[in-house]
Amino acid sequence: DIVLTQSPALAVSLGQRATISCKTNQNVDYYGNSYMHWYQQKPGQQPKLLIYLASNLASGIPARFSGRGSGTDFTLTIDPVEADDTATYYCQQSRNLDTFGAGTKLELK
Amino acid sequence: EVQLVESGGGLVQPGRSLKLSCAASGFTFSSFAMAWVRQAPKKGLEWVATITSGGSNTYYPDSVKGRFTISRDNAKSTLYLQMDSLRSEDTATYYCAKVIWAGGYFDYWGQGVMVTVSS
Repeated sequence: DIVLTQSPALAVSLGQRATISCKTNQNVDYYGNSYMHWYQQKPGQQPKLLIYLASNLASGIPARFSGRGSGTDFTLTIDPVEADDTATYYCQQSRNLDTFGAGTKLELK
Repeated sequence: EVQLVESGGGLVQPGRSLKLSCAASGFTFSSFAMAWVRQAPKKGLEWVATITSGGSNTYYPDSVKGRFTISRDNAKSTLYLQMDSLRSEDTATYYCAKVIWAGGYFDYWGQGVMVTVSS
């Protein structure tokens, strides 16, 4: 199984940059694509797709969100952070079946 | 507008069965793979099952393989999850999700339905 590791929590100030990391124990690249995706989940709500294939912004998602990485190391960046961004962020790999990271809870300082 | 509406959840005793449904609208259901993802209380997301657009291929993690069965009725635009031999660790909110097969990601999610396994 591919295991995804995320830091449990991150605290940032309004207007600053938040960088959330996701590391995998196996390479999730295949034929030029990185099969890594990011979701946002607010309390009591379903997850929402933010970034797909490592760096592609999903429909309707503001450009403050961006993703990068390849192989086994990936990051989701929110710049600048707004109050509405407080949520838990999950990475997901689809290179070999599907697994999720444990989530990173983003809080405001 | 894509809509996914789950139903069929509730309280069930360990060892018993339950069947979830997900009614889809706003897209051509028969053209897309679909999946179930669950979330135990206060925990993270766990993929449960995926079915291809025509229903001929299904995929499961080891945690539910042999106990859960995903299926679909394209004429009714409805996805199902048959859950047998339920355990307390299956207690979770179950989400139905639309799959983009080429990338393997979930672009739309339902609001979820709660399943509680307890005596």
